[in-house]
Amino acid sequence: SQKIEQNSEALNIQEGKTATLTCNYTNYSPAYLQWYRQDPGRGPVFLLLIRENEKEKRKERLKVTFDTTLKQSLFHITASQPADSATYLCALDPRGGGADGLTFGKGTHLIIQP
Amino acid sequence: GAVVSQHPSRVICKSGTSVKIECRSLDFQATTMFWYRQFPKQSLMLMATSNEGSKATYEQGVEKDKFLINHASLTLSTLTVTSAHPEDSSFYICSATSRGISPYEQYFGPGTRLTVT
Repeated sequence: SQKIEQNSEALNIQEGKTATLTCNYTNYSPAYLQWYRQDPGRGPVFLLLIRENEKEKRKERLKVTFDTTLKQSLFHITASQPADSATYLCALDPRGGGADGLTFGKGTHLIIQP
Repeated sequence: GAVVSQHPSRVICKSGTSVKIECRSLDFQATTMFWYRQFPKQSLMLMATSNEGSKATYEQGVEKDKFLINHASLTLSTLTVTSAHPEDSSFYICSATSRGISPYEQYFGPGTRLTVT
């Protein structure tokens, strides 16, 4: 069966360091992979999308990599700040056409300590 | 831009009653709207996909007679939880896509916390 796993439920990082979150998937051949941020009691907010033919995508302090051979995506936040503390969700859109709902991982709760 | 609202944000109802949740795209026309459910410390689970003027497509295991979806316009979709029971208590979140903005990115509403007593 299809499965998405995010490396840990919680991750504590010191302010200023780089936070790295992992998303692994099995039995998928996604056209796209997306990362979202979710704050407590709120809906997810889109951060980055990476396509199967892209190795890396950057946006300000965020960087995402996508390795379709390893079936893994890494999400990096550089120069982390306490305001980056949130749950980060990895999501797959298997067909990539926008017509399908997303399949989400459980998320990694990131805590940036001052 | 690309704002999605939900109403109500919180609702408490008694077991056996029905509850309607609205999802609106405020500044764009939504090609497709999706309904998700999230239990504490769990991932978002897709319940159904809805296109304007069409019947919703439900995911396996989601009862279509219990979770009624109406998508009357390009900016409004409603989810009605009929004969609610305590196990239906959850965080319900809608999202929308728009091919006019981006066909891939989903814009999520703030969610509705349903508590059934």
